[in-house]
Amino acid sequence: EDQVTQSPEALRLQEGESSSLNCSYTVSGLRGLFWYRQDPGKGPEFLFTLYSAGEEKEKERLKATLTKKESFLHITAPKPEDSATYLCAVQADWGSGGGADGLTFGKGTHLIIQP
Amino acid sequence: GAGVSQSPSNKVTEKGKDVELRCDPISGHTALYWYRQSLGQGLEFLIYFQGNSAPDKSGLPSDRFSAERTGGSVSTLTIQRTQQEDSAVYLCASSFRVGYTFGSGTRLTVV
Repeated sequence: EDQVTQSPEALRLQEGESSSLNCSYTVSGLRGLFWYRQDPGKGPEFLFTLYSAGEEKEKERLKATLTKKESFLHITAPKPEDSATYLCAVQADWGSGGGADGLTFGKGTHLIIQP
Repeated sequence: GAGVSQSPSNKVTEKGKDVELRCDPISGHTALYWYRQSLGQGLEFLIYFQGNSAPDKSGLPSDRFSAERTGGSVSTLTIQRTQQEDSAVYLCASSFRVGYTFGSGTRLTVV
């Protein structure tokens, strides 16, 4: 069974204080690892897809990295508008026997950036 | 449309009543997914459509839940004889190749 564990559950940072969010996963075969941002009362907003270990992607103050066991979302010099819940999800590879075609999500990291 | 549209945005229903939730995906997106998000829990996969067919219904929690998709577009999630544990935000997402686009969800409250 595919599993995704995110840590920490919540993180409070000062504006400009860089940090990293962790996503540990187990999947029989990885088709893709996804990062989403979710604001209160809204659906998740797509950020990144990573496909293989060693891959990195960047967008503004965010950088996502991937190993065979975990992914990190690095936030550099965050601003208050980066406050949100960040969700990590995995999708199993075709034919891996992983079952559902849908994404398996972690419970998220609730990030608060204080001015 | 420009995004995934879900309706209603909020629904309060009495225990035992049936409800229908609607999802209008992005035009041209062949894949459509339903998820459920409960307070303090992660997103729970319910069902996946490719075109009008549902190759994966493994996430539907009971036979009170059903879904259909017509014309390769609009999808309806139906919950019969609602129970209090069905209270959650129901999210729909559509996809063409990679990267889902989610709607804002329907918040269902069963009283």
